[in-house]
Amino acid sequence: DIQMTQSPSSLSASVGDRVTITCRTSQTIRNYLNWYQQKPGKAPKVLIYGASNLQSGVPSRFSGSGSGTDFTLTISSLQPEDFATYYCQQVYSTPIFTFGPGTKVDIK
Amino acid sequence: EVQLVESGGGLVQPGGSLRLSCAASGFTFNSYWLNWVRQAPGKGLEWLATIKEDVSEKNYVDSVKGRFTISRDNAKKSLYLQMNSLRAEDTAVYYCARTGSGYPYYFDYWGQGTLVTVSS
Repeated sequence: DIQMTQSPSSLSASVGDRVTITCRTSQTIRNYLNWYQQKPGKAPKVLIYGASNLQSGVPSRFSGSGSGTDFTLTISSLQPEDFATYYCQQVYSTPIFTFGPGTKVDIK
Repeated sequence: EVQLVESGGGLVQPGGSLRLSCAASGFTFNSYWLNWVRQAPGKGLEWLATIKEDVSEKNYVDSVKGRFTISRDNAKKSLYLQMNSLRAEDTAVYYCARTGSGYPYYFDYWGQGTLVTVSS
């Protein structure tokens, strides 16, 4: 099974900050990595698919990079609506999927 | 507009059973894989099961194999999750999610979730 870790598990940041979240997998998954945002009481929403592809309608301040086992989600300038929990998801072992443990971004 | 609406959650005793439903609209239902994902209170997302468009393939996470069964009725545009031998640790919000047609795959639409509470 592919194991996933995210770091940090939580972070505090201010509006306008550049935020970087890392996801690591226990084996190579090429670029089969997605990022989701979830706000309290809401369903998750996909931000990035295939490691670096921005989902339609998602602001360009979100970007993804990485390949193999190390991936990064970057928010270039944090906005008030970006305070949420972020999850990575591997789809390399499709149709078996795995989510990372999540990174909570809150207000400093 | 694509919509997924879950129902069937509620309070059930340990060892009991529950069947969740997910009603779909706004897309060609029989052209997409579908999934169940859950989230225990204060915890992260856990993918549970997926089913192919034509029902020919189903896959489960190890923690629910043999207890949960995913199914679908393409004529009714509905997805189901039959949950048996429920445990306290199955308490969670259960979401249905569609696997998009893009590649690599990702879950492009989600329902609002239905809460299942397993408690005596």
